[in-house]
Amino acid sequence: DAKTTQPNSMESNEEEPVHLPCNHSTISGTDYIHWYRQLPSQGPEYVIHGLTSNVNNRMASLAIAEDRKSSTLILHRATLRDAAVYYCILLSSSNTGKLIFGQGTTLQVKP
Amino acid sequence: EAEVAQSPRYKITEKSQAVAFWCDPISGHATLYWYRQILGQGPELLVQFQDESVVDDSQLPKDRFSAERLKGVDSTLKIQPAELGDSAMYLCASSLRLAGVSGELFFGEGSRLTVL
Repeated sequence: DAKTTQPNSMESNEEEPVHLPCNHSTISGTDYIHWYRQLPSQGPEYVIHGLTSNVNNRMASLAIAEDRKSSTLILHRATLRDAAVYYCILLSSSNTGKLIFGQGTTLQVKP
Repeated sequence: EAEVAQSPRYKITEKSQAVAFWCDPISGHATLYWYRQILGQGPELLVQFQDESVVDDSQLPKDRFSAERLKGVDSTLKIQPAELGDSAMYLCASSLRLAGVSGELFFGEGSRLTVL
């Protein structure tokens, strides 16, 4: 599975937008880009995923670069509850669902 | 909203003892995963089931770990004997099918193991 690179940590102010970057320069054509987050003392939870086009859901937006070598998870208005570790994961369409987690980005949200 | 249930939430044991964790996936979810998460690291897959069959157990330390899902519903992960390095969070997840495309796994809250 292709590897992703994320910053170790980021800070944001409450109610401001947050852009979490992810680099995946070795992505293949069949790899979907998935984002999960893990709140303190909880299991990871699915946030969003996409293939080529930008995606929006109630939690976040996913912006995918035209060459697909990078993507950005966008939280439109950060809340204190959004403080978590955010994982960017590539998953091939032929994959059986085995998520390979990296270190992720620890997001701190300041009031 | 349906959830993945895990027990116990916390377990403290002495090394060389046996320990077991239980997971009940979301009803109807055919695929079940056990992950281990060491403090400060991302989760690592230990074993994956499709119904009652093992799909991937390449990262499961088979000399001391075992996992079963006898009726294709709930699952048990066992460690015998426990070692100090097994201290970690053990996470169970389930998905409706082999989630190659949809990729949405639902995780439980985990079972935190401390080995003394």
